[in-house]
Amino acid sequence: QQQVKQSPQSLIVQKGGISIINCAYENTAFDYFPWYQQFPGKGPALLIAIRPDVSEKKEGRFTISFNKSAKQFSLHIMDSQPGDSATYFCAASPPGGKLIFGQGTELSVKP
Amino acid sequence: DTEVTQTPKHLVMGMTNKKSLKCEQHMGHRAMYWYKQKAKKPPELMFVYSYEKLSINESVPSRFSPECPNSSLLNLHLHALQPEDSALYLCASSQVSLGTQYFGPGTRLLVL
Repeated sequence: QQQVKQSPQSLIVQKGGISIINCAYENTAFDYFPWYQQFPGKGPALLIAIRPDVSEKKEGRFTISFNKSAKQFSLHIMDSQPGDSATYFCAASPPGGKLIFGQGTELSVKP
Repeated sequence: DTEVTQTPKHLVMGMTNKKSLKCEQHMGHRAMYWYKQKAKKPPELMFVYSYEKLSINESVPSRFSPECPNSSLLNLHLHALQPEDSALYLCASSQVSLGTQYFGPGTRLLVL
């Protein structure tokens, strides 16, 4: 019940396309859902985060969609660029609890 | 500014060596973390310090010894490591314990 399932494991998108990464969880106590972006050899960087009181949050080309009833959330990257090529981790945590990470998605944006 | 710094960037050590990793943040955060990350895997939590006190130890072997000298600094002392301990060691901090976490760049550790 503490797991966060992330898919796909890897994703190839053409430049200008939309990248979509999905995550699902079981624990209804989770109330914080961040996405991290990690480049090779670097630490994860907080990209965008959402709480369950909203269904969507947008920051620039990055959008989180949240479906509380389905216990799913997803990251959409609009107009994907080669510089977006990285590993993306979704995560979730309950109030005052530890971050539970998904297994990661390796995104490659082809020019 | 959400910067967490870590030194060294790279470290190679033998199984009998003693070394330390250092982490620093000047954001006034009161919680700091150590994570271990293997290639193509998510970070795994090792330790959490809240207000300079160890609050979570995820059953980490005693060859890893954390220390929090003050609210801005976090050390990880390493002794008698095994080759399987080779990984990227990440430090993170948050304003409050288990709040929004900001990661440092990591120390790439190789144990020979």
